[in-house]
Amino acid sequence: GAVVSQHPSWVICKSGTSVKIECRSLDFQATTMFWYRQFPKQSLMLMATSNEGSKATYEQGVEKDKFLINHASLTLSTLTVTSAHPEDSSFYICSARRLSSRTAEDTEAFFGQGTRLTVV
Amino acid sequence: QKEVEQNSGPLSVPEGAIASLNCTYSDRGSQSFFWYRQYSGKSPELIMFIYSNGDKEDGRFTAQLNKASQYVSLLIRDSQPSDSATYLCAVILIGGFKTIFGAGTRLFVKA
Repeated sequence: GAVVSQHPSWVICKSGTSVKIECRSLDFQATTMFWYRQFPKQSLMLMATSNEGSKATYEQGVEKDKFLINHASLTLSTLTVTSAHPEDSSFYICSARRLSSRTAEDTEAFFGQGTRLTVV
Repeated sequence: QKEVEQNSGPLSVPEGAIASLNCTYSDRGSQSFFWYRQYSGKSPELIMFIYSNGDKEDGRFTAQLNKASQYVSLLIRDSQPSDSATYLCAVILIGGFKTIFGAGTRLFVKA
């Protein structure tokens, strides 16, 4: 399968600071990347959909000014958690779909390793 | 109604038994269906995808899709302790854009 690399795998930051998480598709081009958040023992909650060269689409209830998403190229999307607070502590996961995702068979999303964010 | 629903479990089966995981979805136009396995603290990993009615088999895993009933299931034959994980059902909604996940079913396979 395709490889999606997410960095860092874990980060601890002080309350009020910003944290940037990178998501890279290593061996394929991804027009669309998705950012999820997962709290302990809960499912993945879609935060936003990131499209290369355009603004991200945020899900209801997700603050776009707090979670800044940039999809500058076909292989890189970044999520910046601004002015982080302890309640932002969570497991953040990105996923990417291939450029040629036009058929039902080709819609598999490949996941990064996830980033464990702890805000103290 | 949630878009993708799963029984949260936990589902406990003895080693060697068949584990049956179920999922229902609300969007009748959904086109692609996925089963992911997630170990604690790790990202999900794809087990199978299915997009046509019927059964699809891959090794010990069989996915079953019934679009009329809006139901998709995953059978794990000869369950092993290493299969103990949370299994996430995921659906691509109309338009083939967003992937929506169910809450997951925790499976325990007892040795």
